[in-house]
Amino acid sequence: EVQLVESGGGLVQPGRSLRLSCTTSGFTFGDYPMSWVRQAPGKGLEWVGFIRSKTYGGTTEYAASVKGRFTISRDDSKTIAYLQMNSLKTEDTAVYYCSRTPKVERFLEYFYAMDVWGQGTTVTVSS
Amino acid sequence: DIQMTQSPSSLSASVGDRVTITCRASQSISTYLNWYQQKPGKAPNLLIYAASSLQSGVPSRFSGSGSGTDFTLTINSLQPEDFATYYCQQSYSMSFTFGPGTKVDIK
Repeated sequence: EVQLVESGGGLVQPGRSLRLSCTTSGFTFGDYPMSWVRQAPGKGLEWVGFIRSKTYGGTTEYAASVKGRFTISRDDSKTIAYLQMNSLKTEDTAVYYCSRTPKVERFLEYFYAMDVWGQGTTVTVSS
Repeated sequence: DIQMTQSPSSLSASVGDRVTITCRASQSISTYLNWYQQKPGKAPNLLIYAASSLQSGVPSRFSGSGSGTDFTLTINSLQPEDFATYYCQQSYSMSFTFGPGTKVDIK
C-alpha cells in the first residue's frame, strides 16, 4: 500500500524555522517527483513547491510566496521528502500536505498530477 | 503566474442531480488541468488529470472536459459521498496553481 506520512508540525514563533518530513512507503520513492501543498484554516489549497526525481536532476520549484524562505529536499535512501521552512510568518499557518506527483503519459504528452497525498501536518506560526 | 478561477464558488444540489463546475485559466494551458475532491478534514483526492482522464479507482460518474482556458468537471447522478469541495489545478506552468474551490453541498 502506498503511504505518505507528514510529521514535524507544531507551534513556532514568527521568524523561526521548522522542518517537515514526508515519510513514504509502498512505492519506488526515487522514481517520483514530490510536491508540498498547504491549506490555511478555512481556505483553499495553495501549492508550495515541487522536487523532481534525481533522474531529472532533483531540481526544485517554489511558489513566489515561499521562494527564498522554504527549501524542499529529498533523501531517496530513506524515502523521505523534506520541507525546510525558515523566516516563518503568521501567514504560513496552515496544514501542510505532501503528495506524490508523477509525470503521467497521456495522448503522447506528459502531465504532472498529485496522485497520492499524506494526511497533513499542522503548522501554527504565532507569538 | 497563471491564475485559476472557478464558478460557482458554491452550489446546492440533490442526490441524483447532474452537477457542472467550471474552471478558467488566465492563459492557455492546453489540457494541463487536474481536478481534486476534498472532504472536510481530509486530504485532497485526484479525480481527473490531463483535463479528461479519469484517475484509477474514481467512479465513472465523474468526467472532465475542456482545453485552452476553459474546463468543466461534471458529476452525473450526484451521490451522498460526492458532497465536498472541488479544486482545479494547472500543471502547464511549473508554478502549479489551484483554483479557489467549489463547495457542493446538499440542497
